Amino acid sequence: YVLTQPPSVSVGPGQTATIACGGNNIESRSVHWYQQKSGRAPVLVMYYDSDRPSGIPERFSGSNSGNTATLTISRVEAGDEADYYCQVWDTANNHGGVFGGGTKLTVL
Amino acid sequence: EVQLMESGGGLVKPGGSLRLSCAASGFTFRDSAMNWVRQAPGKGLQWVSTISSVGDYVYYADSVRGRFTISRDNAESSLYLQMNDLRVEDTAVYYCATSSVVVNAIDAFDIWGQGTVVIVSS
Repeated sequence: YVLTQPPSVSVGPGQTATIACGGNNIESRSVHWYQQKSGRAPVLVMYYDSDRPSGIPERFSGSNSGNTATLTISRVEAGDEADYYCQVWDTANNHGGVFGGGTKLTVL
Repeated sequence: EVQLMESGGGLVKPGGSLRLSCAASGFTFRDSAMNWVRQAPGKGLQWVSTISSVGDYVYYADSVRGRFTISRDNAESSLYLQMNDLRVEDTAVYYCATSSVVVNAIDAFDIWGQGTVVIVSS
């Protein structure tokens, strides 16, 4: 199973960033999202498409429909600049985790 | 506080072996599936392996199956990754990560360690 993400997204402070994750009929799967700041370990920011772990700001939201899952960050701040990865668990071919290629969010 | 601390990384020649360890604390280790995820220099995240809470189910990425072995010691709250026949393309930061510790999502990776660096080079 393949997850496709745009390599980069750029927005200005205070704007809304939308990061897409494409996959065949991805709406039938649970999608999780991770934020990875430079030189740091990844952090889970969204699970089961649209649930936020404790401590993740409400500015972060998620959705999943058709062939695209989306992570949306409202009122973007400089501190949101990071790489973002989507992930699913593939039970069809080989039980295992699958990550998208990652999207670099740049805050202009 | 939930903590994961990896160790055992280093420089090894192609064909060599390494054993990574991950010491866990702050949660009931025996109740949680555990995972290894790696990241090659300048690249994205790649899932490597998962082991169920009691070790009866293990899963591997195709790229490591037959060469890597995941295991755990619930009495010691420790996770391991035995890596044999290492290749240059195994060079990466290796992270251990929990599942279903802080969020109720069995197939998400909710807490990550800081990683240990493995370099395979002649």
